[in-house]
Amino acid sequence: DGGITQSPKYLFRKEGQNVTLSCEQNLNHDAMYWYRQDPGQGLRLIYYSQIVNDFQKGDIAEGYSVSREKKESFPLTVTSAQKNPTAFYLCASSRGTGATNEKLFFGSGTQLSVL
Amino acid sequence: GDSVTQMEGPVTLSEEAFLTINCTYTATGYPSLFWYVQYPGEGLQLLLKATKADDKGSNKGFEATYRKETTSFHLEKGSVQVSDSAVYFCALVSGGGADGLTFGKGTHLIIQP
Repeated sequence: DGGITQSPKYLFRKEGQNVTLSCEQNLNHDAMYWYRQDPGQGLRLIYYSQIVNDFQKGDIAEGYSVSREKKESFPLTVTSAQKNPTAFYLCASSRGTGATNEKLFFGSGTQLSVL
Repeated sequence: GDSVTQMEGPVTLSEEAFLTINCTYTATGYPSLFWYVQYPGEGLQLLLKATKADDKGSNKGFEATYRKETTSFHLEKGSVQVSDSAVYFCALVSGGGADGLTFGKGTHLIIQP
């Protein structure tokens, strides 16, 4: 079955540690996105990528980094510079961008907590 | 910039009650509008969408009509079930849309038996 797989489902970070969240899709989608979800704040865009080897900052990119070396993979690294990383992280993809970007497919999320 | 405003939650209803979740938006041009649903511990799933004024999206008994004159896309269901308990997000995409959707803050719906 096609879809988006996020791993791990739960992740714990120690102070000063970088952690990487995995996102893989087998939908052959061009565009991929990372959102952060906090209670009462909805979804906020961290980074997005429209094509391999290219990505752009979203609204809250500080303290995060991404790569897009393969079409199907878009890992997110939460760096030690992110002082409040505890949140639910959602990865999404869509078939195209611009006028064709009408539906996002979401993974099941990763809950990141600080030890 | 684009924005979406939803009614604050949680919204608590009894089973078989009528549901309305309000959503209004601000956007450039003519956006496409969406409702997504999130069940506990999961990602979001598309519930319904409308791409132009006066379109009605519908799915699983839920409906929403794209009202350009009031910039609204309210979600309705005639008779809710316990299984409808979830968080509902209104969203839009406008212009080039290359940076994905703009989401509202979500409305937590609780249906009591």
